[in-house]
Amino acid sequence: QVQLVQSGAEVKKPGSSVKVSCQASGGTFTSYAISWVRQAPGQGLDWMGGIIPIFGTTNYAQNLQGRVTITADKSTNTAYMELSSLSSEDTAMYYCARRSCTGGVCRYHFDYWGHGTLVTVSS
Amino acid sequence: QSALTQPASMSGSPGQSITISCTGTSSDVGSYNFVSWYQQHPGKVPKLLIYDVSNRPSGVSTRFSGSKSGNTASLTISGLQAEDEADYYCTSYTSTNTEVVFGGGTKLTVL
Repeated sequence: QVQLVQSGAEVKKPGSSVKVSCQASGGTFTSYAISWVRQAPGQGLDWMGGIIPIFGTTNYAQNLQGRVTITADKSTNTAYMELSSLSSEDTAMYYCARRSCTGGVCRYHFDYWGHGTLVTVSS
Repeated sequence: QSALTQPASMSGSPGQSITISCTGTSSDVGSYNFVSWYQQHPGKVPKLLIYDVSNRPSGVSTRFSGSKSGNTASLTISGLQAEDEADYYCTSYTSTNTEVVFGGGTKLTVL
C-alpha cells in the first residue's frame, strides 16, 4: 500500500522560506511522479508543480516560478517543496500527491495523497 | 482564477441524480482524455473518483460516473446520499504547461 507521509505544520515569518517533505513508502519511488498541490483556507485546490524523480525533471506553475523549488532524494524516497519569499497569501494546506508512471510515461491523475502540511505565514 | 470552470455550488435531494460540469478549452479538456475528478470532505484529503474521463478506481462507488463532450467534462452522481455532500474538483492535462490544471471546485449540498 502506497503511503505519502508529510512533515509537520510550520509557522513562518513573512519573507522567509519553508521546506516541506513528502516521504513515500510502498511501490517504487522512481515509478511515479510527485506533485504539490496547495489549498488556502476556504479555497480550492491549486497545482504548484511536480517532479519525476527517475528523470529529475520538474515543472512549476507559472504564478510561482522563481519562488518554488521541488526536489527529490531517491535514496530516501522523499520529495521536497521549498517556497521562498513567503507572504500571508501563502498560508495554506500543502499536499503532495502521486501520479503513477510506467516506462517513463506518467498518468495525469493523483491516486495517492499525503495527509497535508499546514503552513501559516504570520508576523 | 481557475483554468477550468465549475459551478460554485449545486444541491440535490437524496435519491436524485446530479451532474457537475467542468468546462475547459481546446488546450485541455477538449483535446485530451485526461480528465479526473476528486471528492473532498471538509478537513479531509481529496479522494480520486474518476480518471481518464470515465474510469473509476477500485473501491469507488458505481454511483459516480464521468463523461466528456467537446470542451466540457461532467461528473454524474446517481442516487444521491447524505455522504455525498462534499466539494468536487475536476482536473485536466493541459498543453499550456504540460501538467495538470484544477477546476475551481463545486460545493455539493444534499438537502
